[in-house]
Amino acid sequence: GENVEQHPSTLSVQEGDSAVIKCTYSDSASNYFPWYKQELGKGPQLIIDIRSNVGEKKDQRIAVTLNKTAKHFSLHITETQPEDSAVYFCAARLSGTASKLTFGTGTRLQVTL
Amino acid sequence: DGGITQSPKYLFRKEGQNVTLSCEQNLNHDAMYWYRQDPGQGLRLIYYSQIVNDFQKGDIAEGYSVSREKKESFPLTVTSAQKNPTAFYLCASSRGQGDYEQYFGPGTRLTVT
Repeated sequence: GENVEQHPSTLSVQEGDSAVIKCTYSDSASNYFPWYKQELGKGPQLIIDIRSNVGEKKDQRIAVTLNKTAKHFSLHITETQPEDSAVYFCAARLSGTASKLTFGTGTRLQVTL
Repeated sequence: DGGITQSPKYLFRKEGQNVTLSCEQNLNHDAMYWYRQDPGQGLRLIYYSQIVNDFQKGDIAEGYSVSREKKESFPLTVTSAQKNPTAFYLCASSRGQGDYEQYFGPGTRLTVT
């Protein structure tokens, strides 16, 4: 099956700085890579996703990059704001497994003033 | 409002008792999922269902059972056989195979003493 590793486990940045979270996956047959944001006591919410036929995707201050050769993908948040503080999870979907996702262990992002 | 509801938000049980967690969605999604979340371990898949009256074991199904008698409902029973049931349980749904985005409910925090 698929295995997803996520780093770092905690990340503290100053407001306005950029934050980068990295994930690696084990199975080259994975073809879908979403990122979720989870606020305290709530369920995760999808913030951006990327499919294997694309190398980069942007949505305002958020971007995701995918390197299929190296089997890693990254979340980039620019101009961070206090409301970006949350736990972020990456995930990967193995082709042929319907919508079954394998999640990373999460990164707790703290944006300080 | 369309979405996923989980009830109750907090649940307390004595060891040795079975307990059923509710998950309802009005998104007309075919697929539904149950995840368990523990600190530092991300989300782990317990069971998933792609259509009514059909479901598959996820990565940590032991000690759990599910049913899918209606499209909008996917209850999870935590049995007394689950050795460490205290956790945060998340239900999710997606349109189905080929549509990858999963929408999460707010979660139920189960405490067993």
